[in-house]
Amino acid sequence: DTAVSQTPKYLVTQMGNDKSIKCEQNLGHDTMYWYKQDSKKFLKIMFSYNNKELIINETVPNRFSPKSPDKAHLNLHINSLELGDSAVYFCASSPEPGLGGTQYFGPGTRLLVL
Amino acid sequence: DAKTTQPPSMDCAEGRAANLPCNHSTISGNEYVYWYRQIHSQGPQYIIHGLKNNETNEMASLIITEDRKSSTLILPHATLRDTAVYYCIVTLLRGSNYKLTFGKGTLLTVNP
Repeated sequence: DTAVSQTPKYLVTQMGNDKSIKCEQNLGHDTMYWYKQDSKKFLKIMFSYNNKELIINETVPNRFSPKSPDKAHLNLHINSLELGDSAVYFCASSPEPGLGGTQYFGPGTRLLVL
Repeated sequence: DAKTTQPPSMDCAEGRAANLPCNHSTISGNEYVYWYRQIHSQGPQYIIHGLKNNETNEMASLIITEDRKSSTLILPHATLRDTAVYYCIVTLLRGSNYKLTFGKGTLLTVNP
């Protein structure tokens, strides 16, 4: 079974649309994250949640809204998509609270905004 | 900004040991050295971490110098599937404001 899964794997959409990416982990971890990897391949943290509560928001525009219905799920909703939102988005989870430590990543969602 | 320095690329012959260096001269006493890798089009994968002692697991060995200012990740018998970008990261084990900062990493190419 996949430890950290994301859906969809690919997402192509028009500018201005609203879309969601889902993430689920079956590792029993309390902490989950969203990362963005841009075209230059830099991987940057966006959000971190611990036990359904937001720990950190790394100066991400408020068009991005994470939602954690339970500690196994962390979804990312993006409003009014812009061209610059095109990237690969990775979800991750960790057995340790906070932002450091050992993290387990999902396979990524490739978002293309046209 | 990443607190580590790595060569941008390295080559290794299949079956040989791959030794990936990392400099972290500003590391503080309670910071760990973590290694992750990212195989093309996949999510990053945790490899190993250590504080000051050498560590070994089923994937790799981590050698940290006595002054902790540098480390080496060793893949003892590299295979073609080990071709990936390898990231050396310095971080606290836990802490609400201490994040994994991924730099540019080292692209390791394992050649047949």
